[in-house]
Amino acid sequence: GDSVTQMEGPVTLSEEAFLTINCTYTATGYPSLFWYVQYPGEGLQLLLKATKADDKGSNKGFEATYRKETTSFHLEKGSVQVSDSAVYFCALYMDSNYQLIWGAGTKLIIKP
Amino acid sequence: EAQVTQNPRYLITVTGKKLTVTCSQNMNHEYMSWYRQDPGLGLRQIYYSMNVEVTDKGDVPEGYKVSRKEKRNFPLILESPSPNQTSLYFCASSFRRQGTEAFFGQGTRLTVV
Repeated sequence: GDSVTQMEGPVTLSEEAFLTINCTYTATGYPSLFWYVQYPGEGLQLLLKATKADDKGSNKGFEATYRKETTSFHLEKGSVQVSDSAVYFCALYMDSNYQLIWGAGTKLIIKP
Repeated sequence: EAQVTQNPRYLITVTGKKLTVTCSQNMNHEYMSWYRQDPGLGLRQIYYSMNVEVTDKGDVPEGYKVSRKEKRNFPLILESPSPNQTSLYFCASSFRRQGTEAFFGQGTRLTVV
């Protein structure tokens, strides 16, 4: 079945470091892909999305490109800040059954 | 303001005492769902609803009930809570179309003793 795999955390980086959080997916059709972020004590909120192959989603300095050939949607940011510390979830949406399929989440810790 | 509202935010209860967690959205979304979040297990879907009077089981429905009598409300009912239902619960809603964003409530932290 459809699934999402993302790198295990926690990921610990120093401020201004480059960030990559890997996400790969398995899907029979053509899903939309999302990154959601969960700040401490809060619900999830959409960070960025891409709805078709080669689309690039971007927001708040984060980027991810929908790569159909490698079935990946890796999250990147050039220079992280302490305020980026959160849990990041990769997800795919299948129009065939209206379901969001979630990765396990990656906790990101940024040290000053 | 577009939002999903869950209540209560925090709840401590005893085993076997029925409880309801409410969820309401003001965006006219067709689709609503409940998740639980546990350390190391990510988000697991409990129940979902495609529209009014249409509900279906998610991945971990045992011990839970839901209803969808109105489009805006989707309460989660624990008829006889047990300690293994201690968790962080989220309600979410969205339109039923490709690429649409899901909106989440703030979460309900439930402790069953």
